[in-house]
Amino acid sequence: GNSVTQMEGPVTLSEEAFLTINCTYTATGYPSLFWYVQYPGEGLQLLLKATKADDKGSNKGFEATYRKETTSFHLEKGSVQVSDSAVYFCALTFNQAGTALIFGKGTTLSVSS
Amino acid sequence: DTGVSQNPRHKITKRGQNVTFRCDPISEHNRLYWYRQTLGQGPEFLTYFQNEAQLEKSRLLSDRFSAERPKGSFSTLEIQRTEQGDSAMYLCASSSRGRGELFFGEGSRLTVL
Repeated sequence: GNSVTQMEGPVTLSEEAFLTINCTYTATGYPSLFWYVQYPGEGLQLLLKATKADDKGSNKGFEATYRKETTSFHLEKGSVQVSDSAVYFCALTFNQAGTALIFGKGTTLSVSS
Repeated sequence: DTGVSQNPRHKITKRGQNVTFRCDPISEHNRLYWYRQTLGQGPEFLTYFQNEAQLEKSRLLSDRFSAERPKGSFSTLEIQRTEQGDSAMYLCASSSRGRGELFFGEGSRLTVL
């Protein structure tokens, strides 16, 4: 079946460090890929997306590239801030009836100053 | 745009009781989703409405669960004869765009004693 696997957390970094959160997927076909973020006390928010192979999604300094050959969509940021502390979810879906957004388990990021 | 609103935010009930959660989506969004999230897991899809029509239901949605969206506006999720395993965060999301671009509420946390 379709699934998403994320690296386990928590990930603990110092401010201005480089961030990578790994995400790989298993899917029958070519899904659209997403990163959602959940800040403390808030609802999930869409961070970025990519809809086809080699697309790069970007937002707020975060980037992720859709790699079909490695079935991956790793999230990166060059210099994290304390305000980036949150839980990050990788997700996939197909643009057709009968499919839903499938999430990974989430990775907690904690950034200290 | 006041965002997706969910009520109540937290419900504590005894096993066997019925509970109902309400979701008010963003007003112009015709698509509404319910998800369930347990500790350490990503959100799991429960059901999906387009306007007032319930188009998709997950196998997770047992016959004790029922969802409605009368008039295509707000939605309710009712759980009958609650069990301890129903304890979770119930998330509502709405969308007017592609299947993966959802706007989530802050969730309704259910605790079944």
